[in-house]
Amino acid sequence: GDSVTQMEGPVTLSEEAFLTINCTYTATGYPSLFWYVQYPGEGLQLLLKATKADDKGSNKGFEATYRKETTSFHLEKGSVQVSDSAVYFCALSNTGKLIFGQGTTLQVKP
Amino acid sequence: EAGVVQSPRYKIIEKKQPVAFWCNPISGHNTLYWYRQNLGQGPELLIRYENEEAVDDSQLPKDRFSAERLKGVDSTLKIQPAELGDSAVYLCASSLRGAETQYFGPGTRLLVL
Repeated sequence: GDSVTQMEGPVTLSEEAFLTINCTYTATGYPSLFWYVQYPGEGLQLLLKATKADDKGSNKGFEATYRKETTSFHLEKGSVQVSDSAVYFCALSNTGKLIFGQGTTLQVKP
Repeated sequence: EAGVVQSPRYKIIEKKQPVAFWCNPISGHNTLYWYRQNLGQGPELLIRYENEEAVDDSQLPKDRFSAERLKGVDSTLKIQPAELGDSAVYLCASSLRGAETQYFGPGTRLLVL
């Protein structure tokens, strides 16, 4: 069945460091891909999405490119801030069903 | 615009007791989802509604879990009786019909003792 695999956390970075969180997927057909973020004590929020191969999703300085050849959707940000500390979830949507990875905790230190 | 509303935010019960969670989706969203999120894991779909019809309940443990969305707006998820392994965060989400982007509520954190 469809699945999403994320890099294990926690990821600890200093402020202004470059961020990469790896995400790979297995799916039949052509799923849409998402990154959701969960701040402490809050619900999941959509961060960005891409609906077809080579699409780049971007929001709040975060980017991810839909790579069909490597079945990947890695999340990147050039300069993280303390306020980016959260749990990040990669997900795919196939036939109306969202399938999530296990989440990666990001901790940014000042 | 109000987001997805869930209540209660926290619930502590003893095993074998019943518990219910309530969700009010974003106005105009026909599709409603219930997810369960275990500690350190991503959410897993329990049930999906299109209006008042449950169109995907394949992951709902039907021996103890039930859900309803009688008027196609708000929804209730019930567990009876609760077991220790039901401790988790229960998330509700909604979307427009046919749309892939889902909007999540803050969740109900359940602890079964």
